[in-house]
Amino acid sequence: EADIYQTPRYLVIGTGKKITLECSQTMGHDKMYWYQQDPGMELHLIHYSYGVNSTEKGDLSSESTVSRIRTEHFPLTLESARPSHTSQYLCASSGLRNTGELFFGEGSRLTVL
Amino acid sequence: AQSVAQPEDQVNVAEGNPLTVKCTYSVSGNPYLFWYVQYPNRGLQFLLKYITGDNLVKGSYGFEAEFNKSQTSFHLKKPSALVSDSALYFCAVRDTRYSGAGSYQLTFGKGTKLSVIP
Repeated sequence: EADIYQTPRYLVIGTGKKITLECSQTMGHDKMYWYQQDPGMELHLIHYSYGVNSTEKGDLSSESTVSRIRTEHFPLTLESARPSHTSQYLCASSGLRNTGELFFGEGSRLTVL
Repeated sequence: AQSVAQPEDQVNVAEGNPLTVKCTYSVSGNPYLFWYVQYPNRGLQFLLKYITGDNLVKGSYGFEAEFNKSQTSFHLKKPSALVSDSALYFCAVRDTRYSGAGSYQLTFGKGTKLSVIP
């Protein structure tokens, strides 16, 4: 079982609030990723990081931001949440072997009212 | 560029029957191929992968997949389906040919919903 953790699992907030979704892994992986997924649908890469102080935007444009100050931690922040941000957010990491295999957290389901 | 196609949005199969979930891919070099499963309100769980070697790969929960280079396919199979196999299945590929900063990323298919009917 992968050691990657996301909090909160579920979050319901009002429009305009600032939120941070936490993601931590204890595997020492250098690469970390955030995916956005609407219910029962495909994954969209929104951010990734190949190491500390390295962050890049993914294929899907997102108003969220990320930071990577520590290897194990890759939080995602929305400064002002809107109903269009309602989705499931999945964090993943991959290790040094570079086969690309990803280990996923359980997800954070965000609902913005 | 790398891409993955899962041609079926949904697959229905009776419990006890064999199941197949299809996946085809496109890469410039050689592929690394993966299957993941997602249960409702959960993250993706790794099922199996093909890196090199034997074309038939065995994974978790009795699943297996066959790598076919000539058909660029990596179909997921199980000899006897269980109701508990009902979930969303994702195929993913990574090209082994380095092509820039994003080369380590997996590309996922759109997912196939598997329903096993009792």
